Amino acid sequence: DGGITQSPKYLFRKEGQNVTLSCEQNLNHDAMYWYRQDPGQGLRLIYYSQIVNDFQKGDIAEGYSVSREKKESFPLTVTSAQKNPTAFYLCASSILAGNTIYFGEGSWLTVV
Amino acid sequence: DAKTTQPPSMDCAEGRAANLPCNHSTISGNEYVYWYRQIHSQGPQYIIHGLKNNETNEMASLIITEDRKSSTLILPHATLRDTAVYYCIVRVGSNDYKLSFGAGTTVTVRA
Repeated sequence: DGGITQSPKYLFRKEGQNVTLSCEQNLNHDAMYWYRQDPGQGLRLIYYSQIVNDFQKGDIAEGYSVSREKKESFPLTVTSAQKNPTAFYLCASSILAGNTIYFGEGSWLTVV
Repeated sequence: DAKTTQPPSMDCAEGRAANLPCNHSTISGNEYVYWYRQIHSQGPQYIIHGLKNNETNEMASLIITEDRKSSTLILPHATLRDTAVYYCIVRVGSNDYKLSFGAGTTVTVRA
């Protein structure tokens, strides 16, 4: 099936540790995105990438890092510099930047 | 982006049509109306979008008023699996990645 796969679905980490969330898409989409959703709140854009080897900061990039070495992959690293990392993280993609955005199933990160 | 206003919740009987309203009175001429839904603990699911004409796909129909200040999402035959939070958003498209989800409408389909 074509789609966006995020892993792991649930992740627990100790405070101070970096953690990397995986996002893979087989839709041949050029653009990929990472959002954060906190309980009862909307989406906030962390990073986006319009094309391979290029990415831009979103509204809340501090404490996060990304890479886009392959078209189908856009991993997100939550670093120890992120002050409130516990959240629901959503990866998304679109054919081109600005087209309809499709989401993965999300990853729950809990930092204790 | 224009703001949208949706009712906080609504109930619907299984098998009946569900009509979800959305007001976007300050929408600009180049902004599309998008609908997504989100089931708890899952990623948002794209449903449909339109600019000014009515649209229909396998999931739903979108009716946009002639002045484009409001729209209605229609789920023709609601099932229990349609229970979710439905979000109406407006976006230009190009260079518009922020997807400003509001509170949405919590739709509960009852048997």
